[in-house]
Amino acid sequence: GNSVTQMEGPVTLSEEAFLTINCTYTATGYPSLFWYVQYPGEGLQLLLKATKADDKGSNKGFEATYRKETTSFHLEKGSVQVSDSAVYFCARLLGAGSYQLTFGKGTKLSVIP
Amino acid sequence: ETGVTQSPTHLIKTRGQQVTLRCSSQSGHNTVSWYQQALGQGPQFIFQYYREEENGRGNFPPRFSGLQFPNYSSELNVNALELDDSALYLCASSSRGNTEAFFGQGTRLTVV
Repeated sequence: GNSVTQMEGPVTLSEEAFLTINCTYTATGYPSLFWYVQYPGEGLQLLLKATKADDKGSNKGFEATYRKETTSFHLEKGSVQVSDSAVYFCARLLGAGSYQLTFGKGTKLSVIP
Repeated sequence: ETGVTQSPTHLIKTRGQQVTLRCSSQSGHNTVSWYQQALGQGPQFIFQYYREEENGRGNFPPRFSGLQFPNYSSELNVNALELDDSALYLCASSSRGNTEAFFGQGTRLTVV
């Protein structure tokens, strides 16, 4: 089927630690992949995206590389800040013509000073 | 700020009632999608509207219905509310052929 699996949280890190949140997907073809972030009490914000294999999306120090061979799109950041505390969602776009995103369950990140 | 606005921000309904949620899409966007996000879960696709017609539907029963208006704003209607309908309802707008969707802040629905 078409699904997105991301590592379960919560994840707690100290400020300036390295972050990895794993995400794998199943799909026919080559979907576009996204990471969204949700701050407490808010909607979703697009963090970064990649539309084809080997693309690297990056924004605000976060990066993710579209790995076709491992069907993965892991999110990384070299040095997290307290302000990065949020819930992160990996998502894939289901085909052309229908903007239907399939989301993972989300990973809650807490960064402590 | 994305330009996608939803109303109301919060509401409480009784089981069996009906509810209408509203979404104004970002300027220039002709496609609106609705998602249901239960507590602690990722958003689930409900349906999408393009040029006033439904263009894709997720695994939701017919009591979830929608409309899109000529100005591309949209409504989500839910009849015969159930307790499990309690969730954050998110609207996202996009333009055809563009992979990026912009989400509103959501409507928090509580069914008691």
